[in-house]
Amino acid sequence: NAGVTQTPKFQVLKTGQSMTLQCAQDMNHNSMYWYRQDPGMGLRLIYYSASEGTTDKGEVPNGYNVSRLNKREFSLRLESAAPSQTSVYFCASSSRGWSGVGANVLTFGAGSRLTVL
Amino acid sequence: GENVEQHPSTLSVQEGDSAVIKCTYSDSASNYFPWYKQELGKRPQLIIDIRSNVGEKKDQRIAVTLNKTAKHFSLHITETQPEDSAVYFCAASISYGGSQGNLIFGKGTKLSVKP
Repeated sequence: NAGVTQTPKFQVLKTGQSMTLQCAQDMNHNSMYWYRQDPGMGLRLIYYSASEGTTDKGEVPNGYNVSRLNKREFSLRLESAAPSQTSVYFCASSSRGWSGVGANVLTFGAGSRLTVL
Repeated sequence: GENVEQHPSTLSVQEGDSAVIKCTYSDSASNYFPWYKQELGKRPQLIIDIRSNVGEKKDQRIAVTLNKTAKHFSLHITETQPEDSAVYFCAASISYGGSQGNLIFGKGTKLSVKP
């Protein structure tokens, strides 16, 4: 049981390059999320997918796109990277949609550190 | 939308002392308040949570209190140990129907416990 797995762990891009961060979970969670973490800014939600087949913008969606490929996988794409997108990105999943114990407890991946030069 | 303020941003205590981190939220409809701990270089992990129908919850050395009237909640760590050193995040969300809304996080508190 790997939990939430995200790749790559580290990436350096030049301004204008594109890349995709991959995320997969094996906990049969219906909801998945992408957060970015910057010093002093906490965890900010970029995009989320409440259930398979749906995606929605979070707090800071500009410059990103997402794809919910299936129930397990949720990818984040930077079409034209900018230095302001230098950050640590976390994928997370939860069993949102269930109001019992454990509802919306986020399980995070290990993070992906992205540097845009 | 919901806004969560967290204080202090840094906190340094001696081993064995208590530590308190406070958060305020803006939306009175928020009803779920978790706390996540992030050790250096690691992923955030849930350590305790509380729902709005409860005023206090304890788990060994950690406790969370909630004041719905004042819209604030706090994390209390007693008998701190060096392994408590980490960044702590509070969060809030609203549930509607049978579904929980997105978590909105505070900016974090870096706790340092000095031996």
